[in-house]
Amino acid sequence: SQQGEEDPQALSIQEGENATMNCSYKTSINNLQWYRQNSGRGLVHLILIRSNEREKHSGRLRVTLDTSKKSSSLLITASRAADTASYFCATDAGNYQLIWGAGTKLIIKP
Amino acid sequence: GAGVSQSPSNKVTEKGKDVELRCDPISGHTALYWYRQSLGQGLEFLIYFQGNSAPDKSGLPSDRFSAERTGGSVSTLTIQRTQQEDSAVYLCASSPGWATEAFFGQGTRLTVV
Repeated sequence: SQQGEEDPQALSIQEGENATMNCSYKTSINNLQWYRQNSGRGLVHLILIRSNEREKHSGRLRVTLDTSKKSSSLLITASRAADTASYFCATDAGNYQLIWGAGTKLIIKP
Repeated sequence: GAGVSQSPSNKVTEKGKDVELRCDPISGHTALYWYRQSLGQGLEFLIYFQGNSAPDKSGLPSDRFSAERTGGSVSTLTIQRTQQEDSAVYLCASSPGWATEAFFGQGTRLTVV
């Protein structure tokens, strides 16, 4: 089943601009995680935000979580060509299964 | 090891044949997951192992799919009598426990012809 729904499905921006992706989910969660996937293969964990946290930063990444709206956003500031990838949110509802959305495909134009 | 290792990286097989996909998790990680990802899609949960507990097989799509984890380490996903709809990238991930980040291998791209 698909819990996380990323929005938009695809995003194309100029290098240097900020990119914002959103994730909505349906059930209560313990935490929400964002991952990046290049070239359709292995995923890399970016950031984990717990249900009692509202905002978290990691380098150029900023993640927010609004549990009342069951939504999260991932902001990438000062985008670079290397940020071109698909970004997925995954929710942990407390039963160890990470439930994944279909992802946002981000393209950074030089 | 340094990361999660999966083999083979690519596998082309004829319809009806059996295939075995291998996952070598990060040493010391008690949790191991198998996922399947079709082109342009999110991850589909297949099976979860946690320590010595009975695995959660609820995501396996049919009885042609099975997995085992020997000695709490290496895992093998077996698909019997492969079908074309089994074509996908099969991803393995491990984590130190649950409710924590998962570390992924590079996946096995399975093509059934």
